[in-house]
Order: sequence, then structure tokens, then C-alpha cells
Amino acid sequence: AQTVTQSQPEMSVQEAETVTLSCTYDTSENNYYLFWYKQPPSRQMILVIRQEAYKQQNATENRFSVNFQKAAKSFSLKISDSQLGDTAMYFCAHPQGGSEKLVFGKGTKLTVNP
Amino acid sequence: SAVISQKPSRDICQRGTSLTIQCQVDSQVTMMFWYRQQPGQSLTLIATANQGSEATYESGFVIDKFPISRPNLTFSTLTVSNMSPEDSSIYLCSVPGQALYGYTFGSGTRLTVV
Repeated sequence: AQTVTQSQPEMSVQEAETVTLSCTYDTSENNYYLFWYKQPPSRQMILVIRQEAYKQQNATENRFSVNFQKAAKSFSLKISDSQLGDTAMYFCAHPQGGSEKLVFGKGTKLTVNP
Repeated sequence: SAVISQKPSRDICQRGTSLTIQCQVDSQVTMMFWYRQQPGQSLTLIATANQGSEATYESGFVIDKFPISRPNLTFSTLTVSNMSPEDSSIYLCSVPGQALYGYTFGSGTRLTVV
């Protein structure tokens, strides 16, 4: 079974600083997508950033960027200039091979401290 | 990307009863996914709802406990049957978008069984 592993159950960062959340995954596919979702206390799942595996360039969305290492099957999320509103659970996700079913990591609880 | 309206947002139910959760999508979609998120945990896929055919259940989930309807390409319901306190969770529906936009989620239903 394909898996997504987030090894950091909890992290904290000071406001305005940078934090990196790690994610590794397992797949036998060559072309696929990877996602980071944010879930604040409102429980709404919000897409933060996505990466297409065939693109070598790391995806960037404003303060959010990824470090995608295809050979290592690593997909970390970097949050720059952290804001209090970034406090949330962050889930790494990957569609199960050959289907559109999303498989999620266990999540990282990020707290941004003032 | 699609917009999903999920109802109810929360409910408190007596054990032994059933609750039906609805998801309405503002566009036609082939597949809809139903997830369970137990307290403090990640999302686990319950089943895939396809229009015009039986839902496909993941290991550990059965139709008698979680019957799903998909009468058309914009609507689906998930029923949690014969509830016990262990069913207390957040239930979310999701649809896959074009890869460029990722997956869209409903706002979730927080179920408490007493």
C-alpha cells in the first residue's frame, strides 16, 4: 500500500520566522501529484500548494514553497515569514497510484507563537 | 475549482440512531469521496461514490454501516448507521478537480454520539 509519512507530529515557530515541515511518500508511479493541505480549527481543508512530479521546478505560492526531491521521494513544505493565521494542522497528500484517491499523512500540528 | 455545500455542520446523536450527511457540488463530477477524521487523527477514506453504480468501500468500512447514495453527478449522501460513541468523528466529502486546482473538500460534519 502506498504511504505518506509525516515524521513531525507537532512543531512551533515564532511569528515572522521560517519553518519547514517534512513529508516522504511511497509510489511506483512516474508522473503524479503531491499536495499540502492546511486544516485550521474551523476544520475546513484548504489547499496550500501542489507539485507535479514531472516538473523539476519547486512549486511556490507566496510565502509557501516546497522542496521536492523526486529520487528521495521527499516533499517538504517551507513557510516563510510565519503568521499567526498559519497555526493549523498540515497534511501532506498524494493520490493512490492509478486512482484519484488521496492518501494523507498523519499531519503536523503547527503553532505560530507571537 | 468546485464548491461543495455539506450539511449538517455538526450534530449530537443518540447511540443506535442514524445520521445522513449531504454534499451538494456546484458542478458535475464523476467521483466523490467520503472521509472520516477521528479526533486528533488524519483523514481516512471511507468510500468512493460513483454515479450510477454502487459505492466502492475501503478496507474496514462496510455498506451496512455507511450506506452511500449518489443519485446524480452533483449530489451524494453518507449515512452513519446504528451509531456508537466510536463513530464520533468529522466526516468530509471531497471531489477531485483538475490537477491544477487539487481536490475540493466540504466544510465537514462534526458528529458526536452520546
